[in-house]
Amino acid sequence: GNSVTQMEGPVTLSEEAFLTINCTYTATGYPSLFWYVQYPGEGLQLLLKATKADDKGSNKGFEATYRKETTSFHLEKGSVQVSDSAVYFCALRRGMNFGNEKLTFGTGTRLTIIP
Amino acid sequence: GAVVSQHPSWVICKSGTSVKIECRSLDFQATTMFWYRQFPKQSLMLMATSNEGSKATYEQGVEKDKFLINHASLTLSTLTVTSAHPEDSSFYICSAHSQGGETQYFGPGTRLLVL
Repeated sequence: GNSVTQMEGPVTLSEEAFLTINCTYTATGYPSLFWYVQYPGEGLQLLLKATKADDKGSNKGFEATYRKETTSFHLEKGSVQVSDSAVYFCALRRGMNFGNEKLTFGTGTRLTIIP
Repeated sequence: GAVVSQHPSWVICKSGTSVKIECRSLDFQATTMFWYRQFPKQSLMLMATSNEGSKATYEQGVEKDKFLINHASLTLSTLTVTSAHPEDSSFYICSAHSQGGETQYFGPGTRLLVL
């Protein structure tokens, strides 16, 4: 079955540091890949997504590239801010046009940015 | 983006009582809603998928008679935990999807503590 393995946290960085949160997956076919972010006291929000190999999703300075050869979708940001402190979830779903199907999540990585 | 609310945000109840959690899509019609459960430091696990006007589809291992799901309208789904026990204490999260949409929108979650 489908699964997502995500870098364990918590991760603590200084402001303006470079961020990488690793995510690898196991799935049949060509899944769509997602990063969700959960700020304190709020619901999960879609951060970025990629629907096919070599696609790069990007938003708010975050990027992730769909690497089919390594089954990875690592999240990166060049210079983090205190406002990026949150829990980040990697997820996958059966491919495009299956928006009404379930997501499979990683365990989440708590990120704390220190001023 | 689209907004999904959950009520209550947290609830404490005695063992043996039933608890109802509401999930509402505030500005769109949700043809499909999902209910997830999250234990501390663990991933979100899908409990069931519900389509408006039809019976929910439960994931393997989830007791449908214990976790009653109703999706009677395009903006409201409810999860009722019947005869709750301490092992049902968890964080319950819903998400909603509109027909033809690519994205699920998540509620902020409901924390349940059964004493």
